[in-house]
Amino acid sequence: GNSVTQMEGPVTLSEEAFLTINCTYTATGYPSLFWYVQYPGEGLQLLLKATKADDKGSNKGFEATYRKETTSFHLEKGSVQVSDSAVYFCALSRGFKTIFGAGTRLFVKA
Amino acid sequence: GAGVSQSPSNKVTEKGKDVELRCDPISGHTALYWYRQRLGQGLEFLIYFQGNSAPDKSGLPSDRFSAERTGESVSTLTIQRTQQEDSAVYLCASNYGGGKSGTGELFFGEGSRLTVL
Repeated sequence: GNSVTQMEGPVTLSEEAFLTINCTYTATGYPSLFWYVQYPGEGLQLLLKATKADDKGSNKGFEATYRKETTSFHLEKGSVQVSDSAVYFCALSRGFKTIFGAGTRLFVKA
Repeated sequence: GAGVSQSPSNKVTEKGKDVELRCDPISGHTALYWYRQRLGQGLEFLIYFQGNSAPDKSGLPSDRFSAERTGESVSTLTIQRTQQEDSAVYLCASNYGGGKSGTGELFFGEGSRLTVL
């Protein structure tokens, strides 16, 4: 079946550090891939998405590239800020169901 | 409304009681989803409604859980005879329906936090 695996957290970084959160998936066919973010006290919201192989999704300085050959969709940001502290969820959508990874909590220290 | 609205935001109940959680999706969204998020864990799919089609109930963990949706509007998730392991945040999301290609972004409510004592 379809599944999403993302790196366990928490991840703790200093401000301006480089961020990578790994995400790999298992799916039949060609799913769409997403990163959602959950800021403290808020609901989940879409951060970025990619709908086909080699697409790059980007938003708020975050990027992720749909790599079909490695079935990956790693999230990166060149310089994190304290305000990026949140839980990040990798997800795939195939048909009507969206499947989420377990989430990775990011702490950014000033 | 402008976003997905859920109520109550917090519910504390005693073991064995029934609870109802409500979700009001974004107007015009034909698809509605319920997920469960246990503390420190990912989102667990519960049930999916698409228009007037039969719902996908494949994620409901037991027959104590049920959900209804009236047309393309409000949905109610009911948990009967609550157990302590039901304690979680219950999230509702809606969208226009991803279709077979599954490209649809989900719009989430802020969730209903259920605590079963």
